[in-house]
Amino acid sequence: AQSVAQPEDQVNVAEGNPLTVKCTYSVSGNPYLFWYVQYPNRGLQFLLKYITGDNLVKGSYGFEAEFNKSQTSFHLKKPSALVSDSALYFCAVRDYPNSGYALNFGKGTSLLVTP
Amino acid sequence: KAGVTQTPRYLIKTRGQQVTLSCSPISGHRSVSWYQQTPGQGLQFLFEYFSETQRNKGNFPGRFSGRQFSNSRSEMNVSTLELGDSALYLCASSPDRLSNTEAFFGQGTRLTVV
Repeated sequence: AQSVAQPEDQVNVAEGNPLTVKCTYSVSGNPYLFWYVQYPNRGLQFLLKYITGDNLVKGSYGFEAEFNKSQTSFHLKKPSALVSDSALYFCAVRDYPNSGYALNFGKGTSLLVTP
Repeated sequence: KAGVTQTPRYLIKTRGQQVTLSCSPISGHRSVSWYQQTPGQGLQFLFEYFSETQRNKGNFPGRFSGRQFSNSRSEMNVSTLELGDSALYLCASSPDRLSNTEAFFGQGTRLTVV
């Protein structure tokens, strides 16, 4: 069985400060991990993915994520937050082939960046 | 390149009716997946189609169905609508079914059942 946990419903950070949005996962096989962002009344936009290789993955808009196999975590980070980063962030895992091609999403974390 | 297009963007239906939602994937993409997003349950996988065949199905009742056409466009249908079917329905496309391929999402169809 696969699952994704985003322990924080909301993260607040001041503009210019670093941000972290947490994600932990559980899969039967190899994890294929993704981060998406959703702005109000919009679909999901792909930010980055981890497959294999470097544990630090760089993605769109200055975001990066750190994969930690021993802690089964895939936390999203950004060195300096912008007000425009305020949105809903989703972590997702694909447990392929055990669960097919479906993405299993966390509940989402609302990020609020204040000026 | 055009993104994933979903139509209509908004729908209001009455309990007991049926509804059909449409999704046009990114050109060249052959895999189409559907997700339901609600405040209570979050994002839940409905089904996935590839080469006109349903490859995966989530834990939804048989009232939810879909299909894919030869041009990869997809439709999903919900029959005998219930109030709890009110949600944002998201379609996502991928070029293939490789495990490491990301999915690209449309803006969704917001369905309200009254």
